[in-house]
Formats: sequence, structure tokens, C-alpha cells
Amino acid sequence: QKEVEQNSGPLSVPEGAIASLNCTYSDRVSQSFFWYRQYSGKSPELIMSIYSNGDKEDGRFTAQLNKASQYVSLLIRDSQPSDSATYLCAVRRSNSGGSNYKLTFGKGTLLTVNP
Amino acid sequence: GAVVSQHPSWVICKSGTSVKIECRSLDFQATTMFWYRQFPKQSLMLMATSNEGSKATYEQGVEKDKFLINHASLTLSTLTVTSAHPEDSSFYICSARGGRESSYNSPLHFGNGTRLTVT
Repeated sequence: QKEVEQNSGPLSVPEGAIASLNCTYSDRVSQSFFWYRQYSGKSPELIMSIYSNGDKEDGRFTAQLNKASQYVSLLIRDSQPSDSATYLCAVRRSNSGGSNYKLTFGKGTLLTVNP
Repeated sequence: GAVVSQHPSWVICKSGTSVKIECRSLDFQATTMFWYRQFPKQSLMLMATSNEGSKATYEQGVEKDKFLINHASLTLSTLTVTSAHPEDSSFYICSARGGRESSYNSPLHFGNGTRLTVT
């Protein structure tokens, strides 16, 4: 089983719709969860972080975490063509800090928002 | 916010030569930096963790003698790809954790990446 799994997509939604991106992880002691957006040829940029069960909202983005199900999702409301990118789910596995702080990334889901 | 600068943004080199990539934290001190590699349509794979003033920690399968990492100061880490071969062609991205928001849960800040092409 892969450590962090995402549906590679592509996921296509019309402009203005809600895009739902999902991610599952295998390590139950994972503590921190991040969503990054990566445009083609560019490096990832942080969209959302979530650490506790439940929902966290930031503008048009909502991250949802369910540690019991080992599941984290990202909802994008009122999707715009500029949201078209690959969305990477990242999980911090280790319970230690310092130099052992590592993120494990999923392969990413390609989102296309059609005008 | 925290900014990580990476240079060069792209480089083309001949097989057998060495290439150095620099990663700088511009407005914060980064005691730890991370080097990732990303092949087309693949996810980011951690290569090594760079620790200021000590040896880097390499992930399994990454040759430490081929990918030399130096973290001589709190704001600079370098990755040198030695004797590069075409299979080393990839997108190399550095990241750092640090700054005012540095904490157990702080996210990583990424540089803009370096696209290496070995001919």
C-alpha cells in the first residue's frame, strides 16, 4: 500500500462548480496534513494545512480531515480556470521534529476547470 | 512570509559534468533544508535532509557520493550533482522549514525548483 494515495485524475469540473480532491494515507500516527498546488513546470505552493479532525475553511478552500478513516480532502468552491493545476496531498509521518521533519507526497490529482 | 530562493532555475549540462544548485532562505534562518526530486508526472521524492553544520541525511536509494549536499550556513544549502548522466535529468526542488512561524506543525516553503537536463 502506498503511503499517500491520490486519484491521479484528471478531474474536470465546470467553472463555478465545487471540485473535490481526496487523499488517503497509511500511517496512523501521521500528525500534519497539507495540500499544495503545483502548476506545470513550477514548484508546489501551500494551499491549506490541517492538523485536527473536522473542517478548516480558508476562502474558497475547505480542508477536511478524518483521522479514523485516514482520509483528508480538499474542496474548492466556485472553481476558476486559474485553479487548474495538480494538487498534491502531503503528510507528515514522523512524530518527531528537527531534522526528522519529513513530508511524504502523493502523486497529485490533476484538476482542470473548464470555462 | 518565508521565501526560499533557488538558483539556477534551469541548467543544461553534458554527461559527465557536475552541476551545483543553490538554495537560500531569504528572510529566515533554516536549520534544516530538504532536497526533493520530481520526474515528469510523478510526485516529489525526498532525496535528502540537509542540516546546518552537520552531514546530510540521505533517503534510501539516493547515492550520497553522487548528490553532494553542503549546508554551511543557516541560509544556504547546496546540492551538487556529480558526474551527471541523462537519467539524472529531473526537476530538483529545495525546501526549508523555519522562520517566525516555525513550530512542530509548520509547513515547508519551497524554492522555485531547478530543471536539470543532461545531454
